[in-house]
Amino acid sequence: QQQVKQSPQSLIVQKGGISIINCAYENTAFDYFPWYQQFPGKGPALLIAIRPDVSEKKEGRFTISFNKSAKQFSLHIMDSQPGDSATYFCAAYTGANSKLTFGKGITLSVRP
Amino acid sequence: EAGVTQFPSHSVIEKGQTVTLRCDPISGHDNLYWYRRVMGKEIKFLLHFVKESKQDESGMPNNRFLAERTGGTYSTLKVQPAELEDSGVYFCASSQPDRITDTQYFGPGTRLTVL
Repeated sequence: QQQVKQSPQSLIVQKGGISIINCAYENTAFDYFPWYQQFPGKGPALLIAIRPDVSEKKEGRFTISFNKSAKQFSLHIMDSQPGDSATYFCAAYTGANSKLTFGKGITLSVRP
Repeated sequence: EAGVTQFPSHSVIEKGQTVTLRCDPISGHDNLYWYRRVMGKEIKFLLHFVKESKQDESGMPNNRFLAERTGGTYSTLKVQPAELEDSGVYFCASSQPDRITDTQYFGPGTRLTVL
């Protein structure tokens, strides 16, 4: 049973467009929701994260929107650039057991 | 500051052989995690060390997997004997939680192929 579901499975966006990746979770005990970015040959790197007490967090071109009642959160990449082409993982975490629960990941391709 | 390092980057072995993966966490990080990503699936938690003690090993698939963390520094993950379904990318992560957050820093992974 997958606890964090990510969609779409892949995404192709034109340069300058908006990339949107969605995630849904089931466990209401999760209290921290990070997004990780992974380039080929590298490990996942923390991109941006949010806690459920806020509905939105923005860092540069990256924004997380969080809907606690729907148990959903999404990553928006504004003005997408070819350098944003990577695999993106949403994840959820509870301080009770410290382990990250990941979505399946999505491959984003930004075309020049 | 050096990040999390893993060795080897790739390993190809025959079914039934033994493989040992190594992880060196960021210096000073007490928490060390092992995760695995089987192709096309999500990254899954295997286990969690706090210093040299196993805090949570609920994600270990079976008793063919043995993880150790000597002296609370580097960690090894041994698979013996390896099976075809063990193929995947094994990630190590480390963290040093503070009052606010517990950011886990990942290594580049070891890609294991069992033939």
